[in-house]
Amino acid sequence: EPEVTQTPSHQVTQMGQEVILRCVPISNHLYFYWYRQILGQKVEFLVSFYNNEISEKSEIFDDQFSVERPDGSNFTLKIRSTKLEDSAMYFCASSAQGNYGYTFGSGTRLTVV
Amino acid sequence: QQPVQSPQAVILREGEDAVINCSSSKALYSVHWYRQKHGEAPVFLMILLKGGEQKGHEKISASFNEKKQQSSLYLTASQLSYSGTYFCGTEGSGGSNYKLTFGKGTLLTVNP
Repeated sequence: EPEVTQTPSHQVTQMGQEVILRCVPISNHLYFYWYRQILGQKVEFLVSFYNNEISEKSEIFDDQFSVERPDGSNFTLKIRSTKLEDSAMYFCASSAQGNYGYTFGSGTRLTVV
Repeated sequence: QQPVQSPQAVILREGEDAVINCSSSKALYSVHWYRQKHGEAPVFLMILLKGGEQKGHEKISASFNEKKQQSSLYLTASQLSYSGTYFCGTEGSGGSNYKLTFGKGTLLTVNP
């Protein structure tokens, strides 16, 4: 069964450093998303991406965050200057069409120290 | 706007039934249901789009009320594998395909 692949599975970074989280969505999917989940809490929307541009973003997704689909297969989330409160599990997801369920990747656990 | 899920947690014995509710103060475009096991990614269960719709299999099914403001997930004759946190995700009535807002989740524990 097709799956969404995320790398790395775990990243530790120092406060103020830049991180790039990588995702390979399912190949024929058109909609791409980033969500995050702070330990034990709800899954929070960050950003959605369709047709090579951001469709929607949340108030969490400020100027420190950016997304790219550089080569037609990868989908990346960059955090320019990490803060302690950015520590969370970051999930990438994709869906084939607008009214389809999402397939989530297994996540990247980001720890900012 | 975040949907409200209830209950927050439920403990069952194998074979028992459970109902998890998800409600919104405004009409929704769609409701998704996901299950997340500890340390894993959420897994898609089903999506409901139409008012009055019911969907699913014999043992796990869901409904969407006529006003499209409430959805319920029904777990029948629960199995140990049903344990996990169940999230509903909703899209507003504007019909956005671009943003799913999740409830806080319902922790379901099934014991032997």
